[in-house]
Formats: sequence, C-alpha cells, structure tokens
Amino acid sequence: DAMVIQNPRYQVTQFGKPVTLSCSQTLNHNVMYWYQQKSSQAPKLLFHYYDKDFNNEADTPDNFQSRRPNTSFCFLDIRSPGLGDAAMYLCATSRDLMASSLLDGKETQYFGPGTRLLVL
Amino acid sequence: AQSVTQPDIHITVSEGASLELRCNYSYGATPYLFWYVQSPGQGLQLLLKYFSGDTLVQGIKGFEAEFKRSQSSFNLRKPSVHWSDAAEYFCAVVVNNFNKFYFGSGTKLNVKP
Repeated sequence: DAMVIQNPRYQVTQFGKPVTLSCSQTLNHNVMYWYQQKSSQAPKLLFHYYDKDFNNEADTPDNFQSRRPNTSFCFLDIRSPGLGDAAMYLCATSRDLMASSLLDGKETQYFGPGTRLLVL
Repeated sequence: AQSVTQPDIHITVSEGASLELRCNYSYGATPYLFWYVQSPGQGLQLLLKYFSGDTLVQGIKGFEAEFKRSQSSFNLRKPSVHWSDAAEYFCAVVVNNFNKFYFGSGTKLNVKP
C-alpha cells in the first residue's frame, strides 16, 4: 500500500553522467517535493511542484532539474553529478501547499523511502 | 534567523528506559511542529505533529511530545524504549505562510539491550 514510491532505491552513476531519479504517488496530492539528505544531515529542500508550477529553492544548484509530467510522477534530473552529489534523495508529497494545509490541521508531507545515489 | 536545534547528536539508552529528545526552535510566531523518524536507509515517517490546542500530543509507536511556548521547545518522549526504536529522529517546523519544512539536524538513538 505504498503511497509515495521512489525508484530505484539505490542508484550508482559515474562522475558527470546524467542520472534521473523517479518518484510516483498514489495520493493524488497537488504538491511534490524533492529533498537532498547527506549523511548525518537534515533533509534539504531542493524544489517543489504545486501542480505544474515549479518552485526552485534559491540555493539549489543549476545542476539539479525536475520534471512533473502528470500529477502522479515527478523526476529529479542531475545533469552532471559530482562526488558531492552523493546523498539520499527524498521525495515527498502534500495535499496542498503547507500553509493552507496546516491551517485546517490536516495533512502533512508524506515521504517516500528515498533513493540513495552513489557517484563513482 | 529561523532555526531548529536538536542539541543531542547521539543518544544511547537501555531498552525499557525512558527517553527524551530535545528540540528547540527560534521563530517569532508559534510554528507548526513535527517529529519524524528515519530508520537506516529509509524515508521519513511522521510520529506526531502539533498545530494548536492541547500542548501534549500523542503520536504513533507510544511517542508523545510537549510544546512549551515559554521555552520554545517541542521535546519528544517515550516512557519505555524498545530496541526497534533505534533510528534517527528529526524535529521539523513549518512557519505559517512558508511552504516548507525546516528540519533540525537530527538525533541518532541507539538502544542497548
């Protein structure tokens, strides 16, 4: 009954070789998020989609891009992975944007299991 | 600057002992507060959340947390820890009108037999 699915769970890529991570959701949520979590650190938000509207965090490197072809799927593209991009990448969803979701006391972010990326 | 602080990086407790994980935040307004747990190699699972009302909130797996406005704290507690509770715990905050979580740096919990 997985609600937020991430594939693959482990991804190995080569330095500079483009890689795509996948996230899908069965919740029909409007918002999908991508986080980067390096070892022993807090998750760091890279960007989010509200429906088709893309919102990039100011400090997200240009090397990271995202696509959301439909409500269910969202992809994280790393154009030229560096060694410093090795991390766990977490996808999350929420029914609506956090502020409006939280005002009615409902919902929060639902996280997928993550994809661990290794860069050789 | 807005921040979420988890002052304990690692905590070790014996199985059956009580547990308290600390979380402090620095925001002008009362934020929305969350605790998540992350098992090794897994995503984040919501334990509990506080929006308003009763300052003592109950969560899953026997966890509870208490919001103390005067101390800007939202500490997580469990009266009797089980070996399966060994994981990393993240406190997170959402401030109204901001559409994202601010996570603390996490506390790794080890449970001794």
